Amino acid sequence: DIQMTQSPSTLSASVGDRVTITCRASQSISIWLAWYQQKPGKAPKLLIYKASSLESGVPSRFSGSGSGTEFTLTISSLQPDDFATYYCQQYNSYWTFGQGTKVEIK
Amino acid sequence: EVQLVESGGGLVQPGGSLRLSCAASGFSFSTYNMNWVRQAPGKGLEWVSYISSSSSTIHYADSVRGRFTISRDSAKNSLYLQMNSLRAEDTAVYFCARGASPSFYFDYWGRGTLVTVSS
Repeated sequence: DIQMTQSPSTLSASVGDRVTITCRASQSISIWLAWYQQKPGKAPKLLIYKASSLESGVPSRFSGSGSGTEFTLTISSLQPDDFATYYCQQYNSYWTFGQGTKVEIK
Repeated sequence: EVQLVESGGGLVQPGGSLRLSCAASGFSFSTYNMNWVRQAPGKGLEWVSYISSSSSTIHYADSVRGRFTISRDSAKNSLYLQMNSLRAEDTAVYFCARGASPSFYFDYWGRGTLVTVSS
């Protein structure tokens, strides 16, 4: 099974900050990685697929990069609506999620 | 507009059964792969099961294999999850999620239905 490890688990930041979340796979997953945003009591929302492709309608301040085993999600200028929990997901071999990164207000 | 609406959750005793449904609308249901994903209270996301558009390919997470059965009815635009031999650790919100075509990430999710396994 492929394990996904996100860091940090919690991130404190201010509006306007540049934020980076890292996701590492236990083996190579090529570019088969997605990022989701989830707010309390809501369904996850797709942000990025194929490691760096922005889903339609998602603000351009979100970007993804990486391949193989190391990936990053970057928010270029954090907005009030971005305080949420973020999950990476590999879909190279079945599906596995990272444990999540909570972005909270500093 | 794509909509996925789960139902069927509730309180069930350990060892009991429950059948979840997911009603799909706003897209051609018969042409998309579908999934169930769950989230235990205060925890992260866990993929549970996958069914291909034609029902020819089905996968389960190790944690539910042999106890859960996924199925779909394209005439009713509905996805199902039959859950048997339920355990306390199955307590979670269960989401149905559409598989993006032609890829395998999840592009639309329902709002979820809560399953509580407790005596």
